Amino acid sequence: DTEVTQTPKHLVMGMTNKKSLKCEQHMGHRAMYWYKQKAKKPPELMFVYSYEKLSINESVPSRFSPECPNSSLLNLHLHALQPEDSALYLCASSQDRAGGWSYNEQFFGPGTRLTVL
Amino acid sequence: KNQVEQSPQSLIILEGKNCTLQCNYTVSPFSNLRWYKQDTGRGPVSLTIMTFSENTKSNGRYTATLDADTKQSSLHITASQLSDSASYICVVSDRGGYSTLTFGKGTMLLVSP
Repeated sequence: DTEVTQTPKHLVMGMTNKKSLKCEQHMGHRAMYWYKQKAKKPPELMFVYSYEKLSINESVPSRFSPECPNSSLLNLHLHALQPEDSALYLCASSQDRAGGWSYNEQFFGPGTRLTVL
Repeated sequence: KNQVEQSPQSLIILEGKNCTLQCNYTVSPFSNLRWYKQDTGRGPVSLTIMTFSENTKSNGRYTATLDADTKQSSLHITASQLSDSASYICVVSDRGGYSTLTFGKGTMLLVSP
């Protein structure tokens, strides 16, 4: 299985809602990432988990809360979002973040298209 | 500051024609360079990945080149197909203990019939 899956594919939520995005991989990768991508822009790194521990938080607002319950799953909990948070949210995984280059090739999921009303 | 610049920003070509996309980078220390294809609203899919010592790598109709001296890369698409319409993103990885990726803004390619 060489796939990263994300659910849901599309999500529409109000500014007062609480929702979660889910990401799953079964490649044995120990690093997982969340990216945010606005239209016609490159992905922007949000969070990195390495061995189920948060290792990088790129100054993301607290209304985004990541969680890594186990080595295969990565969640992104959303609360009190703003319309400008509407974007494509991409999950990625890699074998590890440290070590040689061959260990950090990132495999991306298909993304969740989020719309905040 | 690490940067990746891509050109052109967008490109329209006729089906069956060839095209070349460019990528210039200032990432140090350099580890590897990869090209991704991203369909609208979908996640990026890796096309090629090249390290410092590799000059060219092919994946079907896609051929990437790398000149580590001038810090330039190109992606050549041969005999384009309608399904090649997508954004092509150049991504460079540094060689730090915890490698990070620097993304280019992508070239939007439209292949018309």
